[in-house]
Amino acid sequence: DQQVKQNSPSLSVQEGRISILNCDYTNSMFDYFLWYKKYPAEGPTFLISISSIKDKNEDGRFTVFLNKSAKHLSLHIVPSQPGDSAVYFCAASRPARQLTFGSGTQLTVLP
Amino acid sequence: NAGVTQTPKFQVLKTGQSMTLQCAQDMNHNSMYWYRQDPGMGLRLIYYSASEGTTDKGEVPNGYNVSRLNKREFSLRLESAAPSQTSVYFCASSAGTGDPYEQYFGPGTRLTVT
Repeated sequence: DQQVKQNSPSLSVQEGRISILNCDYTNSMFDYFLWYKKYPAEGPTFLISISSIKDKNEDGRFTVFLNKSAKHLSLHIVPSQPGDSAVYFCAASRPARQLTFGSGTQLTVLP
Repeated sequence: NAGVTQTPKFQVLKTGQSMTLQCAQDMNHNSMYWYRQDPGMGLRLIYYSASEGTTDKGEVPNGYNVSRLNKREFSLRLESAAPSQTSVYFCASSAGTGDPYEQYFGPGTRLTVT
């Protein structure tokens, strides 16, 4: 039973446009959400996070939105750059528990 | 400051062989983790160590053992490798366990069991 789902395995976007990556979760006990980025042959690196007490968090070109009633979060990248091409994982946790990861979305930013 | 390091980077084993994957971190983190990544499955937690001297099972612990050697090092052992353990293995560490502690990952070990 996948508690964190990324239903789009891949996404292609033109350079300069907005990239929107989506993530759904089923466990209402999750209270902290993270996005990780992964390049080939490297480990995932932390990108941005959001607590369940917020509905938006921004860091430069990256914004994460959380809709608790829909159990949905999204990552917006504006403007998208070719260097953003990577696999993006969303992850969720609850107090004193470990991270649960989604299956990832491959983002390709076309020049 | 190397962060999280893993050895080896690549390994090929025959079914039934054993091996130990090594992981070390230099960030003075308390918690360490072992994950496996399979196509279409994301990262699944094998074992973790919330603090030095403790280890706990994650989502997929069968066929693995771990040792938290000291605060810096956390090893993963396959006693009798099986083809189903072909995967990419990531070690990670964090300052604490649970939220809001981000985990920092090593570069991974690509393991093939034939």
